[in-house]
Amino acid sequence: DAGVIQSPRHEVTEMGQEVTLRCKPISGHDYLFWYRQTMMRGLELLIYFNNNVPIDDSGMPEDRFSAKMPNASFSTLKIQPSEPRDSAVYFCASSKKGPTDTQYFGPGTRLTVL
Amino acid sequence: AQSVTQLGSHVSVSEGALVLLRCNYSSSVPPYLFWYVQYPNQGLQLLLKYTSAATLVKGINGFEAEFKKSETSFHLTKPSAHMSDAAEYFCAVSDHTDTDKLIFGTGTRLQVFP
Repeated sequence: DAGVIQSPRHEVTEMGQEVTLRCKPISGHDYLFWYRQTMMRGLELLIYFNNNVPIDDSGMPEDRFSAKMPNASFSTLKIQPSEPRDSAVYFCASSKKGPTDTQYFGPGTRLTVL
Repeated sequence: AQSVTQLGSHVSVSEGALVLLRCNYSSSVPPYLFWYVQYPNQGLQLLLKYTSAATLVKGINGFEAEFKKSETSFHLTKPSAHMSDAAEYFCAVSDHTDTDKLIFGTGTRLQVFP
């Protein structure tokens, strides 16, 4: 299995631009998670989906962030407009049975907003 | 509200020495507890988890953790450190109610010296 795939691996953009991060979960996994990791705040859950339906989006910072899962094999996290404080590593993870089942993490996308 | 506290953001040991990484939790119900490891420039991977079965949990790479309800602790140990154990270690808790999501600690960076 290829594992969780994220793209791009690195993204550098300017403040105000739209950023789209992409994730392909492991086939057969019904749950998909988006996390953000920063030095200041550590690892935070932004949102997670079950069978493509958002279950908990309480960690989404504000309206500038949106996440979609149009099908079982693809999800996006969009930031519009981006701000320097959004600079972080964004991880996607997937699991078969839920948050307390083993979560498999992708390699992450390092986002830098100038 | 559930939370985890990891004492010590950095721990240094010599190769062959005991590894002890501390984690204390706060939860209103018996929790599920997890240790994840993050190697440089990679996503997290599960080391072990406690889900109310045996209180001593064995994980991968020779790590184990013991759930102690009286101390609200779930410390991670390994009898003999190896250079390859150098990584960041995250403790996480889920109270497996509501949305079941994991709450991660701030992480402990383990350095192993030859």
